[in-house]
Amino acid sequence: GAVVSQHPSWVICKSGTSVKIECRSLDFQATTMFWYRQFPKQSLMLMATSNEGSKATYEQGVEKDKFLINHASLTLSTLTVTSAHPEDSSFYICSAGGRYNHYGYTFGSGTRLTVV
Amino acid sequence: GESVGLHLPTLSVQEGDNSIINCAYSNSASDYFIWYKQESGKGPQFIIDIRSNMDKRQGQRVTVLLNKTVKHLSLQIAATQPGDSAVYFCAENIYGNNRLAFGKGNQVVVIP
Repeated sequence: GAVVSQHPSWVICKSGTSVKIECRSLDFQATTMFWYRQFPKQSLMLMATSNEGSKATYEQGVEKDKFLINHASLTLSTLTVTSAHPEDSSFYICSAGGRYNHYGYTFGSGTRLTVV
Repeated sequence: GESVGLHLPTLSVQEGDNSIINCAYSNSASDYFIWYKQESGKGPQFIIDIRSNMDKRQGQRVTVLLNKTVKHLSLQIAATQPGDSAVYFCAENIYGNNRLAFGKGNQVVVIP
């Protein structure tokens, strides 16, 4: 079956630094990947749609300069949280595929980001 | 930032009983629906999906019911087991748009 690997699973960083999160589709090619953010006891909120070889499409209210997305290959998308602040602390989850992909939407295991 | 004091709707169910989890979706144009299970600290795990041309679909120990008239989706889990304890989310999608919108989530607690 389809497997999406997300790395790291958790990271602690100092305020003002940048953090990169990787999302890889291990056994299928994903022209589309999605990045979500989830606060405790809340639902997943879509941040952006990442398309291989083109710019990401950001949801309303998501700062594209703060959350940099790169989807340089069919198996890798990265989310970089730039100049992180404590309010960026959250659970970030990626998903690869989509409705029109044979494997549907397959989610990574998530990354717990804590900014101190 | 984080929201303080939020509580998910919680369903407590005795092991072996059936569980029913409900979801009201928002967009009448949505035509594809998915139920996900999320355990603490993990990503969502696909359970079952249904398209709008169906009103019922069964999987292993799970059944999804769709009522388009009232925009309601439910997930039934038969013979609930301790391993079913998790948060369950419904998600909706519109044809032509690849984005998935998640519902609020329901916590299921299985009592041994």
